[in-house]
Amino acid sequence: GENVEQHPSTLSVQEGDSAVIKCTYSDSASNYFPWYKQELGKRPQLIIDIRSNVGEKKDQRIAVTLNKTAKHFSLHITETQPEDSAVYFCAASIGSYQKVTFGTGTKLQVIP
Amino acid sequence: KAGVTQTPRYLIKTRGQQVTLSCSPISGHRSVSWYQQTPGQGLQFLFEYFSETQRNKGNFPGRFSGRQFSNSRSEMNVSTLELGDSALYLCASSLAAANTDTQYFGPGTRLTVL
Repeated sequence: GENVEQHPSTLSVQEGDSAVIKCTYSDSASNYFPWYKQELGKRPQLIIDIRSNVGEKKDQRIAVTLNKTAKHFSLHITETQPEDSAVYFCAASIGSYQKVTFGTGTKLQVIP
Repeated sequence: KAGVTQTPRYLIKTRGQQVTLSCSPISGHRSVSWYQQTPGQGLQFLFEYFSETQRNKGNFPGRFSGRQFSNSRSEMNVSTLELGDSALYLCASSLAAANTDTQYFGPGTRLTVL
């Protein structure tokens, strides 16, 4: 089955700096890659996603890049703010049904 | 629209018992997925239902089962509970059948097995 690896497991950055979280997936048939943010004690929420036919997608301070050849995708957060502090999960999905494999999460701490 | 709701929010059970968790999706959503979240394993896919049919299943033992009703509400059942079943159980709903449809998560049910 699909396997998603995520690095780093923890990340501390100064407010205003950029943060990058990297994920790799194992199944080249994966065609959809969502990213979720989970604040402490709250439910995961989708923050950005990318499909396999797109190399990059941006939404304000958040961007995701996808390298299908390397089976690698990354989340970039620029101008980080304290409210960006949370656990971020990458995920990969294959086929047309909802079967999502999640990475193990990155705990991001933004230091004011 | 009301978001995804789950009941109960907290449960304490003992080993060997069984438990049923409930998930009400966003109105109009027909797909419901279940996930187990633990500190060590992260978010793991249990199963997904669409129009009362289980379409996908994760790598969990047969003690974990589920169903979906005609109004898209879903239940998950765990029989013969083990200590390792202690976790946050999340359900997520999406509008239709495609894997690219956004999943909206519920608040979860925190299950503690003693």
